[in-house]
Amino acid sequence: ETGVTQSPTHLIKTRGQQVTLRCSSQSGHNTVSWYQQALGQGPQFIFQYYREEENGRGNFPPRFSGLQFPNYSSELNVNALELDDSALYLCASKAGGGRNTEAFFGQGTRLTVV
Amino acid sequence: AQKITQTQPGMFVQEKEAVTLDCTYDTSDPSYGLFWYKQPSSGEMIFLIYQGSYDQQNATEGRYSLNFQKARKSANLVISASQLGDSAMYFCAMREVDNFNKFYFGSGTKLNVKP
Repeated sequence: ETGVTQSPTHLIKTRGQQVTLRCSSQSGHNTVSWYQQALGQGPQFIFQYYREEENGRGNFPPRFSGLQFPNYSSELNVNALELDDSALYLCASKAGGGRNTEAFFGQGTRLTVV
Repeated sequence: AQKITQTQPGMFVQEKEAVTLDCTYDTSDPSYGLFWYKQPSSGEMIFLIYQGSYDQQNATEGRYSLNFQKARKSANLVISASQLGDSAMYFCAMREVDNFNKFYFGSGTKLNVKP
């Protein structure tokens, strides 16, 4: 039990549609990052938020966007879905801006684009 | 360049024996953290062990230990007394000093524990 909850757990969307994935972090976890994990690969960093501001982004197009809210929840939005967006999406949260603390991962959302 | 390299796509180990999962990393940052996560088929990343770049001693957490060789840039995970429940994917990851929560992950090692 990590205290990080993602919803929904599974999702099927059609190519071209938009999707919103949600992550609820522990109280006090003001840093959240999102990852895309394609089948058989390691997670790839999408972006991170610290105190509701995006402060780091990986090699993902602008149609991947996010929000972080004061209640320690966050969203990942993906527009114009493509078949290659099918993956497990993970969020990870941690307390503070310090580097040497553990990050807690959610159980992930499995997105299938057909 | 790859930040994290795991060269063993799959490993088998007999129950109750020890196993070493390999990980090498690449960074020019003098301050970084190295992590190992376990990912069962359910998908959740379970934290196992952490090693800071300035830590003098190898990290240990129960049956898990990290063999940290800084000069070689390697951070191998050793699981002692393997159990059937250890069967899962294992990921090595690194976080650099200026990236609060940005992990670089390797491609993972699938560990199968045989009874």
